[in-house]
Amino acid sequence: DAGVIQSPRHEVTEMGQEVTLRCKPISGHDYLFWYRQTMMRGLELLIYFNNNVPIDDSGMPEDRFSAKMPNASFSTLKIQPSEPRDSAVYFCASSLSAAGANVLTFGAGSRLTVL
Amino acid sequence: AQSVTQLGSHVSVSEGALVLLRCNYSSSVPPYLFWYVQYPNQGLQLLLKYTSAATLVKGINGFEAEFKKSETSFHLTKPSAHMSDAAEYFCAVSLTGGGNKLTFGTGTQLKVEL
Repeated sequence: DAGVIQSPRHEVTEMGQEVTLRCKPISGHDYLFWYRQTMMRGLELLIYFNNNVPIDDSGMPEDRFSAKMPNASFSTLKIQPSEPRDSAVYFCASSLSAAGANVLTFGAGSRLTVL
Repeated sequence: AQSVTQLGSHVSVSEGALVLLRCNYSSSVPPYLFWYVQYPNQGLQLLLKYTSAATLVKGINGFEAEFKKSETSFHLTKPSAHMSDAAEYFCAVSLTGGGNKLTFGTGTQLKVEL
Protein backbone atom coordinates (compact mmCIF):
# COMPACT_ATOMS: atom_id res chain seq x y z
CA ASP A 1 0.00 0.00 0.00
CA ALA A 2 1.27 3.49 -0.81
CA GLY A 3 0.18 4.80 2.57
CA VAL A 4 -1.92 7.89 3.16
CA ILE A 5 -1.65 10.20 0.18
CA GLN A 6 -2.12 13.95 0.57
CA SER A 7 -2.18 16.67 -2.05
CA PRO A 8 -0.96 19.24 -2.62
CA ARG A 9 2.25 18.98 -0.58
CA HIS A 10 2.66 22.74 -0.68
CA GLU A 11 0.13 25.47 -1.31
CA VAL A 12 0.73 29.19 -1.35
CA THR A 13 -2.32 31.36 -1.76
CA GLU A 14 -3.56 34.84 -1.05
CA MET A 15 -5.93 35.83 1.68
CA GLY A 16 -9.53 35.36 0.66
CA GLN A 17 -8.91 32.53 -1.76
CA GLU A 18 -10.46 29.09 -1.43
CA VAL A 19 -8.13 26.26 -0.49
CA THR A 20 -8.90 22.56 -0.94
CA LEU A 21 -6.69 19.89 0.58
CA ARG A 22 -7.13 16.28 -0.45
CA CYS A 23 -6.52 12.96 1.21
CA LYS A 24 -6.60 9.34 0.12
CA PRO A 25 -6.56 7.02 3.16
CA ILE A 26 -5.14 3.53 3.28
CA SER A 27 -7.46 1.10 1.57
CA GLY A 28 -9.66 -0.70 4.10
CA HIS A 29 -9.16 1.80 6.90
CA ASP A 30 -12.46 2.94 8.37
CA TYR A 31 -11.33 6.02 10.30
CA LEU A 32 -9.98 9.22 8.82
CA PHE A 33 -8.61 12.17 10.77
CA TRP A 34 -7.61 15.71 9.84
CA TYR A 35 -5.01 17.40 12.06
CA ARG A 36 -3.43 20.83 11.89
CA GLN A 37 0.10 21.51 13.12
CA THR A 38 1.41 24.95 14.03
CA MET A 39 4.28 26.15 16.18
CA MET A 40 1.88 27.91 18.53
CA ARG A 41 -0.72 25.19 19.04
CA GLY A 42 1.07 21.98 18.13
CA LEU A 43 -1.08 19.19 16.71
CA GLU A 44 -4.80 19.86 16.81
CA LEU A 45 -7.50 17.43 15.75
CA LEU A 46 -9.89 19.22 13.43
CA ILE A 47 -12.37 16.50 12.52
CA TYR A 48 -12.61 12.75 12.14
CA PHE A 49 -14.78 10.36 10.18
CA ASN A 50 -15.86 6.78 10.71
CA ASN A 51 -17.11 4.92 7.66
CA ASN A 52 -17.32 8.24 5.80
CA VAL A 53 -19.54 9.84 8.47
CA PRO A 54 -18.23 12.83 10.48
CA ILE A 55 -18.07 11.82 14.14
CA ASP A 56 -16.51 14.81 15.85
CA ASP A 57 -15.94 18.20 14.24
CA SER A 58 -15.52 20.14 17.46
CA GLY A 59 -11.96 21.03 16.49
CA MET A 60 -12.92 22.82 13.30
CA PRO A 61 -11.94 26.44 14.00
CA GLU A 62 -14.90 28.18 12.41
CA ASP A 63 -17.39 28.08 9.59
CA ARG A 64 -14.70 28.88 7.05
CA PHE A 65 -13.52 25.29 7.44
CA SER A 66 -15.42 22.32 6.06
CA ALA A 67 -14.56 18.69 5.47
CA LYS A 68 -16.18 15.97 3.43
CA MET A 69 -15.69 12.31 2.83
CA PRO A 70 -17.82 11.33 -0.16
CA ASN A 71 -16.45 7.78 -0.24
CA ALA A 72 -14.08 5.48 1.58
CA SER A 73 -11.09 6.47 -0.51
CA PHE A 74 -11.26 10.25 -0.57
CA SER A 75 -11.63 13.19 1.76
CA THR A 76 -11.28 16.94 1.37
CA LEU A 77 -10.65 19.79 3.78
CA LYS A 78 -11.75 23.15 2.44
CA ILE A 79 -11.03 26.63 3.73
CA GLN A 80 -13.10 29.44 2.29
CA PRO A 81 -12.10 32.23 2.54
CA SER A 82 -8.55 31.60 3.69
CA GLU A 83 -6.75 33.88 6.15
CA PRO A 84 -3.05 34.24 7.06
CA ARG A 85 -3.69 32.62 10.44
CA ASP A 86 -4.68 29.43 8.61
CA SER A 87 -1.06 28.95 7.59
CA ALA A 88 -0.03 25.56 8.96
CA VAL A 89 0.74 21.99 8.01
CA TYR A 90 -2.41 19.95 7.63
CA PHE A 91 -2.14 16.22 8.16
CA CYS A 92 -4.52 13.50 7.19
CA ALA A 93 -4.33 10.16 8.99
CA SER A 94 -6.27 6.92 8.79
CA SER A 95 -6.71 3.91 11.03
CA LEU A 96 -8.41 0.53 11.19
CA SER A 97 -10.67 0.12 14.20
CA ALA A 98 -10.72 -3.63 13.99
CA ALA A 99 -7.02 -3.66 14.74
CA GLY A 100 -7.65 -2.60 18.33
CA ALA A 101 -5.72 0.37 19.63
CA ASN A 102 -6.15 2.96 16.95
CA VAL A 103 -2.74 3.23 15.36
CA LEU A 104 -2.88 6.21 13.06
CA THR A 105 -0.96 6.24 9.81
CA PHE A 106 -0.18 9.79 8.77
CA GLY A 107 0.28 11.29 5.37
CA ALA A 108 3.24 13.53 4.62
CA GLY A 109 1.15 16.65 5.16
CA SER A 110 0.08 19.67 3.15
CA ARG A 111 1.95 22.86 4.00
CA LEU A 112 -0.36 25.84 3.53
CA THR A 113 0.87 29.41 3.38
CA VAL A 114 -1.72 32.17 3.16
CA LEU A 115 -0.26 35.56 2.27
CA ALA B 1 -11.20 13.97 28.88
CA GLN B 2 -7.75 12.53 28.36
CA SER B 3 -4.55 14.53 27.95
CA VAL B 4 -0.78 14.17 27.95
CA THR B 5 1.93 16.50 29.14
CA GLN B 6 5.42 16.35 27.74
CA LEU B 7 8.06 17.86 29.97
CA GLY B 8 10.73 19.72 28.05
CA SER B 9 10.10 21.06 24.59
CA HIS B 10 13.79 20.62 23.72
CA VAL B 11 16.19 17.91 24.84
CA SER B 12 19.83 17.72 23.83
CA VAL B 13 22.03 14.65 24.31
CA SER B 14 25.43 13.53 23.14
CA GLU B 15 25.72 10.69 20.68
CA GLY B 16 25.90 7.45 22.64
CA ALA B 17 24.20 8.89 25.70
CA LEU B 18 20.88 7.85 27.20
CA VAL B 19 17.78 9.38 25.74
CA LEU B 20 14.91 10.11 28.15
CA LEU B 21 11.80 11.90 26.96
CA ARG B 22 9.09 12.44 29.55
CA CYS B 23 5.35 12.04 29.19
CA ASN B 24 2.64 12.11 31.83
CA TYR B 25 -0.95 11.31 31.06
CA SER B 26 -4.34 12.09 32.50
CA SER B 27 -7.25 9.80 31.84
CA SER B 28 -10.36 8.80 33.72
CA VAL B 29 -10.23 5.29 32.30
CA PRO B 30 -7.34 2.97 31.42
CA PRO B 31 -5.73 4.58 28.41
CA TYR B 32 -3.92 3.53 25.31
CA LEU B 33 -0.62 5.41 25.03
CA PHE B 34 1.59 6.03 22.03
CA TRP B 35 4.87 7.58 21.03
CA TYR B 36 5.21 8.99 17.53
CA VAL B 37 8.27 10.47 15.82
CA GLN B 38 8.32 13.21 13.21
CA TYR B 39 11.35 13.80 11.02
CA PRO B 40 11.68 17.15 9.23
CA ASN B 41 9.09 17.71 6.52
CA GLN B 42 7.48 14.34 7.12
CA GLY B 43 4.35 13.01 8.76
CA LEU B 44 4.30 11.28 12.11
CA GLN B 45 5.40 7.65 12.40
CA LEU B 46 4.49 5.25 15.19
CA LEU B 47 7.39 4.34 17.48
CA LEU B 48 5.50 2.18 19.97
CA LYS B 49 2.18 1.72 21.72
CA TYR B 50 0.87 0.57 25.09
CA THR B 51 -2.44 -1.29 25.08
CA SER B 52 -2.66 -2.70 28.63
CA ALA B 53 -0.56 -5.79 28.00
CA ALA B 54 3.10 -5.67 29.08
CA THR B 55 4.00 -2.46 30.89
CA LEU B 56 7.40 -2.29 29.19
CA VAL B 57 6.88 -1.71 25.52
CA LYS B 58 9.59 -2.04 22.91
CA GLY B 59 9.40 -0.10 19.69
CA ILE B 60 11.38 0.53 16.57
CA ASN B 61 14.92 1.89 16.39
CA GLY B 62 15.82 0.68 19.88
CA PHE B 63 13.29 2.82 21.74
CA GLU B 64 11.19 1.57 24.62
CA ALA B 65 8.71 3.01 27.09
CA GLU B 66 7.40 1.90 30.44
CA PHE B 67 3.82 2.42 31.58
CA LYS B 68 3.72 3.34 35.27
CA LYS B 69 0.17 3.67 36.52
CA SER B 70 1.22 4.90 39.97
CA GLU B 71 3.12 7.77 38.39
CA THR B 72 0.74 8.25 35.42
CA SER B 73 3.83 8.25 33.25
CA PHE B 74 4.90 6.77 29.93
CA HIS B 75 8.49 7.96 29.45
CA LEU B 76 10.42 7.10 26.29
CA THR B 77 14.00 5.87 26.55
CA LYS B 78 16.84 4.68 24.37
CA PRO B 79 20.12 3.49 25.89
CA SER B 80 22.40 5.03 23.28
CA ALA B 81 21.48 7.98 21.09
CA HIS B 82 22.37 8.07 17.43
CA MET B 83 22.57 11.11 15.20
CA SER B 84 19.66 9.73 13.18
CA ASP B 85 17.42 9.97 16.28
CA ALA B 86 17.27 13.75 15.96
CA ALA B 87 13.60 14.49 15.41
CA GLU B 88 10.46 15.64 17.19
CA TYR B 89 8.75 13.13 19.45
CA PHE B 90 5.09 13.18 20.39
CA CYS B 91 3.34 11.35 23.17
CA ALA B 92 -0.35 10.63 22.60
CA VAL B 93 -3.28 9.14 24.49
CA SER B 94 -6.61 7.67 23.52
CA LEU B 95 -9.38 5.96 25.38
CA THR B 96 -9.47 2.19 25.19
CA GLY B 97 -11.52 0.93 22.33
CA GLY B 98 -10.71 1.01 18.70
CA GLY B 99 -11.17 4.07 16.59
CA ASN B 100 -11.12 6.74 19.25
CA LYS B 101 -9.28 9.94 18.55
CA LEU B 102 -5.72 10.52 19.69
CA THR B 103 -4.81 13.53 21.77
CA PHE B 104 -1.20 14.56 21.29
CA GLY B 105 1.25 16.28 23.58
CA THR B 106 3.09 19.40 22.52
CA GLY B 107 6.13 17.48 21.36
CA THR B 108 9.80 17.29 22.38
CA GLN B 109 12.52 18.21 19.92
CA LEU B 110 15.49 15.89 20.38
CA LYS B 111 18.90 17.14 19.35
CA VAL B 112 21.84 14.73 19.20
CA GLU B 113 25.31 16.24 19.34
CA LEU B 114 28.67 14.73 18.49
